[in-house]
Amino acid sequence: AQSVTQLGSHVSVSEGALVLLRCNYSSSVPPYLFWYVQYPNQGLQLLLKYTSAATLVKGINGFEAEFKKSETSFHLTKPSAHMSDAAEYFCAVSDQGNAGNMLTFGGGTRLMVKP
Amino acid sequence: KAGVTQTPRYLIKTRGQQVTLSCSPISGHRSVSWYQQTPGQGLQFLFEYFSETQRNKGNFPGRFSGRQFSNSRSEMNVSTLELGDSALYLCASGQGASGNTIYFGEGSWLTVV
Repeated sequence: AQSVTQLGSHVSVSEGALVLLRCNYSSSVPPYLFWYVQYPNQGLQLLLKYTSAATLVKGINGFEAEFKKSETSFHLTKPSAHMSDAAEYFCAVSDQGNAGNMLTFGGGTRLMVKP
Repeated sequence: KAGVTQTPRYLIKTRGQQVTLSCSPISGHRSVSWYQQTPGQGLQFLFEYFSETQRNKGNFPGRFSGRQFSNSRSEMNVSTLELGDSALYLCASGQGASGNTIYFGEGSWLTVV
């Protein structure tokens, strides 16, 4: 079974600082990978996804992630944090061999942005 | 284009009761999946329906069930509610192929007392 590990349940950065949220997956073959963001009392919004095209994926709101097969990682970055980035971020995987839209999520990382 | 709509948004039920949650997918989407979100267990996959058939199922007891109608709308039902069923239940819709983006609704907050 696939699993996703997000290192750090809470990450705090200063406004304007680099954001780095870590995600590692375990899968026998490279899966599809996703990053979602959840604001308080809302559903999940897709930031970006990797589906075996370019390994560097650009998403919305200035976020990007790089797929590294050798490290089984898909870390999310943003060069400069904004107060509005404060939210919970989830990494998720979907098995390429699975005929469907079943996602396995990591435990989430709550990002706090200090002024 | 309207997003994924879930009803009701908030509800309170008593232990032992049953509850039905509804989800209307984005127009044209044939896949609907359901997730449970709790502080302790995080986001867990319940099941996915595609063209009225259950295609994938998570590791939940049989008290959790679902169905999908011909217009792709879906319902999930939880019978004999337990305190631990208190959670945010999220519905997501997609076109159905693996790797496609799925879009989430705002969820239904269920509190069991």
